[in-house]
Amino acid sequence: SAVISQKPSRDICQRGTSLTIQCQVDSQVTMMFWYRQQPGQSLTLIATANQGSEATYESGFVIDKFPISRPNLTFSTLTVSNLSPEDSSIYLCSVRQILGTEAFFGQGTRLTVV
Amino acid sequence: GESVGLHLPTLSVQEGDNSIINCAYSNSASDYFIWYKQESGKGPQFIIDIRSNMDKRQGQRVTVLLNKTVKHLSLQIAATQPGDSAVYFCAENLNSGYSTLTFGKGTMLLVSP
Repeated sequence: SAVISQKPSRDICQRGTSLTIQCQVDSQVTMMFWYRQQPGQSLTLIATANQGSEATYESGFVIDKFPISRPNLTFSTLTVSNLSPEDSSIYLCSVRQILGTEAFFGQGTRLTVV
Repeated sequence: GESVGLHLPTLSVQEGDNSIINCAYSNSASDYFIWYKQESGKGPQFIIDIRSNMDKRQGQRVTVLLNKTVKHLSLQIAATQPGDSAVYFCAENLNSGYSTLTFGKGTMLLVSP
């Protein structure tokens, strides 16, 4: 298993600003992902964070809005840019060690945009 | 904490009952499936998994059933307890070479004492 720490756990941000969420894992992991969970909804994959290269984004998500960094095998950041109320969601970091095994999740970051 | 299950289907049971949560998955090529439990204010927590070469797998108080013919997955929880109250999600892995998971809509389980 992996222990994942996300910061901040929650934040309230003004429209037009940005929030950067950090994800720290207690061990080196091959795969890291960022998900969004809108209120009352399931999890939607935003992107796969690739170490040393640009993230791979899912349909409907773009780098300008959700820039991602992954400088090493234990750390990643997700920035949600130019915030609007529609960005109010829970953002979750997830890791997998081996293909075909379970993914582990951080506790999430609850973002409210006002 | 705030609930993540405001608009999700809800299953209400009494403590001690057995619970069955169902999930229809989307892709017939998926070969690995996971059930997650998400409590209020927390991230999803792994419960049990099953591979496509199996149709049943048992854990502690939980059983997962897989019906590939109709692309259906179920989670059975025996002797449900108030601590089982949460939102439950199924997730599918397209195939063993695919790194990402696709999540189902989720079901909120409410257990009354």
